[in-house]
Amino acid sequence: EVQLLESGGGLVQPGGSLRLSCAVSGFTFSRYAMTWVRQAPGKGLEWVSSIGGSSNNTYYADSVKGRFTISRDNSKNTLYLQMNSLRVEDTAVYYCTPFDVWGRGTLVTVSS
Amino acid sequence: SYELTQPPSVSVSPGQTARIICSGDALPKQYAYWYQQKPGQAPVLLIYKDSQRPSRIPERFSGSSSGTTVTLTISGVQAEDEAHYYCHSADSSSTYEVFGGGTKLTVL
Repeated sequence: EVQLLESGGGLVQPGGSLRLSCAVSGFTFSRYAMTWVRQAPGKGLEWVSSIGGSSNNTYYADSVKGRFTISRDNSKNTLYLQMNSLRVEDTAVYYCTPFDVWGRGTLVTVSS
Repeated sequence: SYELTQPPSVSVSPGQTARIICSGDALPKQYAYWYQQKPGQAPVLLIYKDSQRPSRIPERFSGSSSGTTVTLTISGVQAEDEAHYYCHSADSSSTYEVFGGGTKLTVL
């Protein structure tokens, strides 16, 4: 059974940092590009960042470029998102996904 | 920046057919994907590569493509189909992934 388990969310002040993790099981992680997608409260889905299977290519939405860094450890079947200089508008549930299956997400709240 | 456009809402009676259209300039070059999301739940992939359906998805869900639009069709709508539906694709250079704004399907 394919499982994606996000963790690392929480409450952080504006300007702060968080590191999200996504532990994957049930498929050959290294063969798949992975993506972070977020959803602000009551809003639609927003693509955040993607990474190729061997970490050779990374892509970012303009809204997070220069602040967020996506990475992966294929030996640990884990995807990461380092989020720096957080803003109130980054408040959202963050999902990790290869698009055909999704985790339950982790909530990030940026507030003073 | 690249955008995908969907209607904010669609309403249909049980047993009828619902069609949700998504438009975007790069859709002739890029595959589209459709997701269903119910309140408090993660999205579920309904359609991939314009018209392919995962085996676990009921046959009443189908997808099609024509030029700069893609369409999700739900035949014989059921009450349980009431949800938000999102289209997803990439820009022409495959640099950015984009989601449509979402369509709320109401079953009357």
